[in-house]
Amino acid sequence: EIVLTQSPATLSLSPGERATLSCGASQSVSSSYLAWYQQKPGLAPRLLIYDASNRATGIPDRFSGSGSGTDFTLTISRLDPEDFAVYYCQQYGTSGTFGQGTKVEI
Amino acid sequence: EVQLVESGGGLVKPGGSLRLSCAASGFTFSSYSMNWVRQAPGKGLEWVSSISSSSSYRYYADSVKGRFTISRDNAKNSLYLQMNSLRAEDTAVYYCARAQGSISMIFVVTSFDNWGQGTLVTVSS
Repeated sequence: EIVLTQSPATLSLSPGERATLSCGASQSVSSSYLAWYQQKPGLAPRLLIYDASNRATGIPDRFSGSGSGTDFTLTISRLDPEDFAVYYCQQYGTSGTFGQGTKVEI
Repeated sequence: EVQLVESGGGLVKPGGSLRLSCAASGFTFSSYSMNWVRQAPGKGLEWVSSISSSSSYRYYADSVKGRFTISRDNAKNSLYLQMNSLRAEDTAVYYCARAQGSISMIFVVTSFDNWGQGTLVTVSS
């Protein structure tokens, strides 16, 4: 099983700042099958990025994903107040696992 | 607009059974693979099971294999999860989620592009 480790656990930033979230895999993620989700309290997760760098439908361009192999990054270029939430990475393909999440707080 | 509405959650004793349902609308249900994903209270996300569009392929997480069964009825635009031999560690919100790609012989889990609001399953005596 591929284990995903997200860092940091908590990111304290202000609106307008840049957020950089990391997701490390215990072994190479094939074909960059990596996704990022945003989850707000009491709500279902929302897909932001799939295949490591493709934005999902309706996702603002301030969200971007990059990386390959075992190291992946989600970048939020300028934090909007609505972006404060928990973010999860997920690897998929022949198996599926999630990271433990990064909380982006004010 | 894609809508996924789960139902069937509730309180059940250890060893008991429960059947979750997910009603889909706003898209051609029969063309999409579907999934169940769960989240224990205050914890992260865990993929539970996936099913291909025609039910030819069904996959399960090791934690539920042999106890849970995923199924679908394309005529009713519905997805199901039959949960037997429930344990305390199965307590979670269960989400129905649409697959972004297709489940196949080699593709077990996809990313999830639409989610329901979830239904809470509590296993406790």
